Amino acid sequence: DTEVTQTPKHLVMGMTNKKSLKCEQHMGHRAMYWYKQKAKKPPELMFVYSYEKLSINESVPSRFSPECPNSSLLNLHLHALQPEDSALYLCASSQAGRNTGELFFGEGSRLTVL
Amino acid sequence: GIQVEQSPPDLILQEGANSTLRCNFSDSVNNLQWFHQNPWGQLINLFYIPSGTKQNGRLSATTVATERYSLLYISSSQTTDSGVYFCAVARPTGGFKTIFGAGTRLFVKA
Repeated sequence: DTEVTQTPKHLVMGMTNKKSLKCEQHMGHRAMYWYKQKAKKPPELMFVYSYEKLSINESVPSRFSPECPNSSLLNLHLHALQPEDSALYLCASSQAGRNTGELFFGEGSRLTVL
Repeated sequence: GIQVEQSPPDLILQEGANSTLRCNFSDSVNNLQWFHQNPWGQLINLFYIPSGTKQNGRLSATTVATERYSLLYISSSQTTDSGVYFCAVARPTGGFKTIFGAGTRLFVKA
């Protein structure tokens, strides 16, 4: 059983919709991540939060808006997405020491933009 | 940035065969992980192995950090081993930036 939980598992949205992806971990980790994965490609880093503060933004378009309300929760707010944003969105967490610790991933949220 | 190359890109095995997957990286790392992505998309942790050798059942991994490569061994393969195997690394000065290789796509035939 994964200790990083993502909801929803599947999401279909129109280009004018606003939706959110949610991630929760109970591993006591203080670093949380969003990755995007297109079909037959490796995961690509989008955002990293360390101690609830945004530490990495990999030049992601503003239609993706991350939020870390507390040490256990990570959200990704979606607005005015494009069909090319359809992908598997993966949340991960790790210890937040001096260096990156072992990453643990959730099961992912599969997003389809119509 | 750091480059991560995995080989082979694709691999087809008969059930029961052994295989070796390779991950080369272009700079020093302080974190190296092997993942198995199942057909449903979940990334399953196999090994956290910045250096040395580890074994877990039919799987084992070796990282030679000074030579910048890691190997994943799969013995007596089973159909449930099918999927994509990713190597992911992070640099000592890279903050929290973990970079994935392109993966090895494995299919094990019954």
